[in-house]
Amino acid sequence: DAGVIQSPRHEVTEMGQEVTLRCKPISGHDYLFWYRQTMMRGLELLIYFNNNVPIDDSGMPEDRFSAKMPNASFSTLKIQPSEPRDSAVYFCASRSSGSHYNEQFFGPGTRLTVL
Amino acid sequence: AQSVTQLDSQVPVFEEAPVELRCNYSSSVSVYLFWYVQYPNQGLQLLLKYLSGSTLVKGINGFEAEFNKSQTSFHLRKPSVHISDTAEYFCAVIPGDSSYKLIFGSGTRLLVRP
Repeated sequence: DAGVIQSPRHEVTEMGQEVTLRCKPISGHDYLFWYRQTMMRGLELLIYFNNNVPIDDSGMPEDRFSAKMPNASFSTLKIQPSEPRDSAVYFCASRSSGSHYNEQFFGPGTRLTVL
Repeated sequence: AQSVTQLDSQVPVFEEAPVELRCNYSSSVSVYLFWYVQYPNQGLQLLLKYLSGSTLVKGINGFEAEFNKSQTSFHLRKPSVHISDTAEYFCAVIPGDSSYKLIFGSGTRLLVRP
């Protein structure tokens, strides 16, 4: 298995532009998580899905952020409009169902820079 | 709310020396504890986890951790580090109330010098 795949690996954009981050979870995993990593706030859970349904989006910072999971093999995190303070590394992770302490497998991350 | 504290932001150590990375969590009836490692420009990788049973947990790459309920600690140790162990290490917890949220500490950067 290729693991969790994220694209792009790096994204540089200007303030006000729309940004879309993509994630392909490990095949067979039915939980998908989006995290944001910054120096100031560390690793934060933004949202997670179970069977393509958003379960907890309490970590989404504001309405400019939205996430979708149209099918079991694809999810997007969209920021519109983007702001410099959104600059961070965004990670996607997936895990299988069963015990909630099952390992989460992380993707390599997308480094977002908003100028 | 559950929280995880990693007091050391950076730990410098010479190659082949032992190391301990400290982790404390806020008290809860039960928790599941994890250590993840993040190599430069990569995602997080699970080192080890404590669910129940023996308080000494062995993980990959020669790391081990000991769960201490009375001190609410889960410190990570390695008897002899290598240059390749240079990375960021994160302690994390899932509360035992069936929450699916992994709550991370702020991370400790291990810097192994020759």
